[in-house]
Formats: sequence, structure tokens, C-alpha cells
Amino acid sequence: TQLLEQSPQFLSIQEGENLTVYCNSSSVFSSLQWYRQEPGEGPVLLVTVVTGGEVKKLKRLTFQFGDARKDSSLHITAAQPGDTGLYLCAGASQGGSEKLVFGKGTKLTVNP
Amino acid sequence: NAGVMQNPRHLVRRRGQEARLRCSPMKGHSHVYWYRQLPEEGLKFMVYLQKENIIDESGMPKERFSAEFPKEGPSILRIQQVVRGDSAAYFCASSPDRGREQFFGPGTRLTVL
Repeated sequence: TQLLEQSPQFLSIQEGENLTVYCNSSSVFSSLQWYRQEPGEGPVLLVTVVTGGEVKKLKRLTFQFGDARKDSSLHITAAQPGDTGLYLCAGASQGGSEKLVFGKGTKLTVNP
Repeated sequence: NAGVMQNPRHLVRRRGQEARLRCSPMKGHSHVYWYRQLPEEGLKFMVYLQKENIIDESGMPKERFSAEFPKEGPSILRIQQVVRGDSAAYFCASSPDRGREQFFGPGTRLTVL
């Protein structure tokens, strides 16, 4: 069974601080997606990383896929209250299975 | 440019009743996935369907749960004889092709009394 472990589970920081969220597994994934979910809503896709070592930037968010495609990180620079939410990583298996394996998420709170 | 649509957004059922959850994929998407999110748990895959075909149902409970994606109309997740443990948020996602990114709907929150 493939598992994705996210850390930290909860994170509360002040506006302007930087933070990093981690997503780790012992399994190899063909791709990894990061989603953000607001209370009462569905996950919204932020980015997909496919190549080992790949780095993608989305404004103040930087996503990295590990060289071995088993782990990923999300770094937020100068966090703002609008970044508050649940951040989920999800891995797509190798070998053709289409289902996504999700981590339990990191609940981020950015205080003004 | 409508996204994935799910209805109802909230559904309340008594134990033993049936629940029907509907999902309309994004325009041009013919692949649909259902996931369940239990309180304090991550999203768990249930089933993957293409038009008129179930491709992977490895995450579906063996009894009471079924899914379909007919040639015309939305995908339906059906739960018969609901029990309290079925209370959860059920999300549908769609993609334009196999192996492509999945886009999620707003979910249906099922409460079983």
C-alpha cells in the first residue's frame, strides 16, 4: 500500500514568515500534485511535478520533486493571511493506475 | 468555463435509506474519479470510470456502494442502506484523458442520522 506522509500536520505562523511543508513516501510516483483545500470546498490544483529534481514556482510558492520521485516539498515565501488553508499532496502511481494517493494534509494558519 | 459540478452539496439521510450523489465532469472530460474524505482523514480513492465503463473500483466497499457513468448524463455514486459510518465528504474529480491532472468538484457532504 502506498502512503504519503505530510509534515507538519499543523502550522501557525505570522504574516511575512517563510515556511516549508514536506511530503514523503517510500514509494516512487510518476507524478505528484499539490492541492489547496478551503473548508467546505473541494481541493484546488496548484501544481503538478513530473520529473525527478523538478522545481516549479507559482508566485511566492516553490514546489520541488525529489530526485528519486519519492518526496516533495512546498516552500512559501513571505506568507500572507490569504495563504491560510489545507495543503494536500497527492501522488499518481507508476504502472498505469490512475488513482491518486493523498497525504492527510498540512493545515496552515497565517496570522496578520 | 464551468468546473466539475456536484449535487447535492449537502445530503441528509436516515440509516437504511439510499443516497445518490451526482457528478458532472468539466466540459471535454470523459474520465471521472470518486474519492471519500472522512473526518480527520485524507482523501481516499474509491472508483475510476470512463463513459459507460468502470476502470478501477479497487477502493469501493464490497457491499452497498456502486457507481456508474452513463453515455448521457452525470456520473452517479449510489450508496444503499446507508449507515452512520458512511457520513463523509464525497468528492468527484475529472480529467480529459488517462494519466492527466484531476480537477475536483466542491463535494457532497453526506450526513447519516
